[in-house]
Amino acid sequence: AQKITQTQPGMFVQEKEAVTLDCTYDTSDPSYGLFWYKQPSSGEMIFLIYQGSYDQQNATEGRYSLNFQKARKSANLVISASQLGDSAMYFCAMRFIGSGGYNKLIFGAGTRLAVHP
Amino acid sequence: DVKVTQSSRYLVKRTGEKVFLECVQDMDHENMFWYRQDPGLGLRLIYFSYDVKMKEKGDIPEGYSVSREKKERFSLILESASTNQTSMYLCASRKQSSYEQYFGPGTRLTVT
Repeated sequence: AQKITQTQPGMFVQEKEAVTLDCTYDTSDPSYGLFWYKQPSSGEMIFLIYQGSYDQQNATEGRYSLNFQKARKSANLVISASQLGDSAMYFCAMRFIGSGGYNKLIFGAGTRLAVHP
Repeated sequence: DVKVTQSSRYLVKRTGEKVFLECVQDMDHENMFWYRQDPGLGLRLIYFSYDVKMKEKGDIPEGYSVSREKKERFSLILESASTNQTSMYLCASRKQSSYEQYFGPGTRLTVT
């Protein structure tokens, strides 16, 4: 069975510093993908970054990078140069092929990040 | 820009009422999803639809049903609302050929 684990319920970071949000996953499928979403207090889920299981290089999108360690089954999100607007809930999610052959997502419990001035 | 809209941001219903949550997307996406979000549990899939009039159960379908009569609209129905269905409900859509899901703003439902 597939599983996503985010062990940090809450994190805080000083403005302009880097922060790493942890995510580990479990699957026996060779083909899968990992997402990070941001959810501000307004509620909408904002896509940040995606890494496919066969991608050789770690994904990067601006200040976001995904530290993908396949052997350790981890997909940590690194936010460089934190900004006050980064304060939000962050969810790690995994794409997999469910029963019936459809792509599905499962989500971790989330990490609440607070950026302090 | 892809836009996914949900009919209400906040909703308060009484136990036993029939509740309709509506979701509309404007990008001709084939797949649509309903999730509920609870603290400490993340998002859990209730139902999804891969095409018009097609539906598949997710991980927690009990107490819910869905309807997709048109490609752009996906409805979640609580036949007889109960207090344990108090939650945030998020709709999402995805193009069949892509992995990324686009989410609506969510509906916070309270059942009293």
